[in-house]
Amino acid sequence: QVQLVESGGGVVQPGRSLRLSCAASGFTFSNYGLHWVRQAPGKGLEWVAVTTYDGRNKYYADSVKGRFTISRDDSKNTLFLQMNSLRAEDTAVYYCVKWDSGSNFDYWGQGTLVTVSS
Amino acid sequence: EIVMTQSPATLAVSPGERATLSCRASQSVSGKLAWYQQKPGQAPRLLIYGASTRATGIPARFSGSGSGTEFTLTISSLQSEDFAVYYCQQYNNWPPWTFGQGTKVEIK
Repeated sequence: QVQLVESGGGVVQPGRSLRLSCAASGFTFSNYGLHWVRQAPGKGLEWVAVTTYDGRNKYYADSVKGRFTISRDDSKNTLFLQMNSLRAEDTAVYYCVKWDSGSNFDYWGQGTLVTVSS
Repeated sequence: EIVMTQSPATLAVSPGERATLSCRASQSVSGKLAWYQQKPGQAPRLLIYGASTRATGIPARFSGSGSGTEFTLTISSLQSEDFAVYYCQQYNNWPPWTFGQGTKVEIK
């Protein structure tokens, strides 16, 4: 079965960096695009970034453009999110999401909490 | 950017009753509309895609309808496990992919 397991979250000071990872299994990783979606405490869902299946195209939300970088390592079936210049408003649970061309965001990881605070 | 607006924000329903949730897009998204269910402390789960197609393993009491800018999620007979927050999302015009603010279905 499809599994997405995020890691790397934690407490970080404003202006510092953090790298999230998402280990995938149960599907052919290199055939699928992958997203990061976040959810601030008590708030709704916000799309953050996407990489296409081949890593050639990447898109970002305006709120993170220039600060976050999405990447993938198909040899390790792992997705990454490098987060630089973190702000308090980046505090959220970050979900890794599999992107299916037909059914859209079909599988979600359990999320990892990032807290930006001094 | 397409703005998604859900109503109501909260819906109080008795077990066994029908729940009807609405989602409106600021411009047409054709049929590229998905619904997700999120329970406290859990990740969202895909319920409906293509406005009306149930995802794998989703019970038949969940149904979606609509096209263009107006969409509806109907839960025909609410079960205890259905009390949750529901989000709609458009995937016709991206980036960005945009979500509604959510409708919380609570026990009446």
